[in-house]
Amino acid sequence: DSGVTQTPKHLITATGQRVTLRCSPRSGDLSVYWYQQSLDQGLQFLIQYYNGEERAKGNILERFSAQQFPDLHSELNLSSLELGDSALYFCASSSLSGQNSGNTIYFGEGSWLTVV
Amino acid sequence: AQSVAQPEDQVNVAEGNPLTVKCTYSVSGNPYLFWYVQYPNRGLQFLLKYITGDNLVKGSYGFEAEFNKSQTSFHLKKPSALVSDSALYFCAVRDRNYGGSQGNLIFGKGTKLSVKP
Repeated sequence: DSGVTQTPKHLITATGQRVTLRCSPRSGDLSVYWYQQSLDQGLQFLIQYYNGEERAKGNILERFSAQQFPDLHSELNLSSLELGDSALYFCASSSLSGQNSGNTIYFGEGSWLTVV
Repeated sequence: AQSVAQPEDQVNVAEGNPLTVKCTYSVSGNPYLFWYVQYPNRGLQFLLKYITGDNLVKGSYGFEAEFNKSQTSFHLKKPSALVSDSALYFCAVRDRNYGGSQGNLIFGKGTKLSVKP
């Protein structure tokens, strides 16, 4: 158990809908990362937050957004869903901002999103 | 830009034999390198990392990896494979404050390890 908790584990929704994925980082970790894993794109970095502020942005679509709350949990919001958004979405956390550091990033079990 | 390559989509090994999963990287400056494992329907589990120091890094479940700067490689190894090692293995490099991005991991495409009894 990595200590990173994600909910829901599985989610099935229709095209055009909006969903929210939730993540609780490991105790004491200030950085939260979101990744998308799909068969064709592999593991893609979406976005990173550090202590409530956006720190880095990767291949995140404009239809997607995220935030980190004062209690450090994070939410990834996916809207106007398309079939191609079906994927496994990982949250991960680490103890530092990650800038030029070698600290380990720990991953949750992921949220399986199926868009039908 | 930093990148990671895992040249093999799949590696097949007999139980008890040594295994190697290959990884090469391209970074500017000194690399931070990681290996993760993903079992079916599970999340990514951290195995080991290279930050600095000894080129041979030991990690979880008897795995180790050898950092080779001249060959820009970070191959994952285990002296004696187990059937339970069958999983998807990912090599990753830390994105080091490049173009505004700070610290996220850049992953290879993954290598499926199959260990047969």
